[in-house]
Amino acid sequence: GNSVTQMEGPVTLSEEAFLTINCTYTATGYPSLFWYVQYPGEGLQLLLKATKADDKGSNKGFEATYRKETTSFHLEKGSVQVSDSAVYFCALDAGGTSYGKLTFGQGTILTVHP
Amino acid sequence: NAGVTQTPKFQVLKTGQSMTLQCAQDMNHEYMSWYRQDPGMGLRLIHYSVGAGITDQGEVPNGYNVSRSTTEDFPLRLLSAAPSQTSVYFCASSYDSGGKTQYFGPGTRLLVL
Repeated sequence: GNSVTQMEGPVTLSEEAFLTINCTYTATGYPSLFWYVQYPGEGLQLLLKATKADDKGSNKGFEATYRKETTSFHLEKGSVQVSDSAVYFCALDAGGTSYGKLTFGQGTILTVHP
Repeated sequence: NAGVTQTPKFQVLKTGQSMTLQCAQDMNHEYMSWYRQDPGMGLRLIHYSVGAGITDQGEVPNGYNVSRSTTEDFPLRLLSAAPSQTSVYFCASSYDSGGKTQYFGPGTRLLVL
């Protein structure tokens, strides 16, 4: 079946540090890949997405590249801010008969200190 | 647009009680779904709907019922609550499926004693 594995957390960084959150996936076919972010007390909101191999999604300084050869979609940001503190979820939509059914990773808690 | 709204925000139930979690969207989205969020497990799909009158099961459907009589509303029913259903529940919607962005509601936190 489909699955998403995220790096174990939580992750604690100082402001302006470089961020990487690893995400690998297992899926048949050609899934679409997403990063969602959940700020404290809120629902999830889309951070970025990529729908085909080698696509790069980007938003708010975050980037992730769809690597089919390594089945990965790692999230990166060059300089984190305190306001980036949140839970980050990697997810996939496998398409086909799984259309619209998002499979999520377990989430990574990011805390950024001033 | 209000987006995706959910009520209540928080609910405490006793084992065996029933309740309905409400979800509504004003974006004319055809696709709606329910997820539960548990610590260390991410979100798991409970039920989904591709349009009014059409629903199907997700990964963890047992103990939950849904119906979709209108495009706007997609309620989730717990017929006989169990402690294992203690969780945070999120409703989501999108224009259609297949790589489209899903919009999530703020969530309902449910505690079953």
